[in-house]
Amino acid sequence: EVRLVQSGVQVKEPGESLKISCQGSGYSFHSYWIGWVRQMPGKGLEWMGIFYAGRSDIETAYSPSFHGQVTISGDKSINTVFLQWSSLKASDTAIYYCVREGLVFWGQGTMVTVSP
Amino acid sequence: QSALTQPPSASGSPGQSVTISCTGTSRDVGRYNYVSWHQQHPGKAPRLIISDVDKRPSGVPPRFSGSKSGNTAYLTISGLQAEDEADYYCSCYADTNYYIFGTGTTVTPL
Repeated sequence: EVRLVQSGVQVKEPGESLKISCQGSGYSFHSYWIGWVRQMPGKGLEWMGIFYAGRSDIETAYSPSFHGQVTISGDKSINTVFLQWSSLKASDTAIYYCVREGLVFWGQGTMVTVSP
Repeated sequence: QSALTQPPSASGSPGQSVTISCTGTSRDVGRYNYVSWHQQHPGKAPRLIISDVDKRPSGVPPRFSGSKSGNTAYLTISGLQAEDEADYYCSCYADTNYYIFGTGTTVTPL
């Protein structure tokens, strides 16, 4: 069974750093990319970027709206992709989903709240 | 690139058909047959119901169908049921390494 399991709820203050994760199982991790999607409270889905688990020429790619705002990385040895912020803002409050190439399999979502 | 345009809401009586549009440009919906539709119930992760314009993944009821004409894609729910009340989002491959989502449509059975 294909599964994407994300790390748990996070409550942070503005200016703090954060790294959330998405671990894939039940399939060949290196055969598919993993994407990140943001959903702000009461709003729609926004594509953030991709981690290429199986490529050596390019590892990550970002939507223009998120380039420079977040860092996507991965650890292929543990089938895990990460989404990272160096300095959180209140506007980063959202649910973050990971999704496998093909858009069939989604993680359960990680709720991130940034508040003083 | 901007989000794909969807109507904010759509409704119909149980058993009726509802069609949702998803309008993009010649650089995304008009260029690629990689349009997908996702259903999202409150508090849940999105669920893929249509891929590649008109392909239905295993387990998705046949009342869901997809099509495309020019820069606009469509999702039709034939025989609306109470459990179809949800938000629906289209998505499309737009360029190398990049996807775009639609603005979302809330479907409400009357």
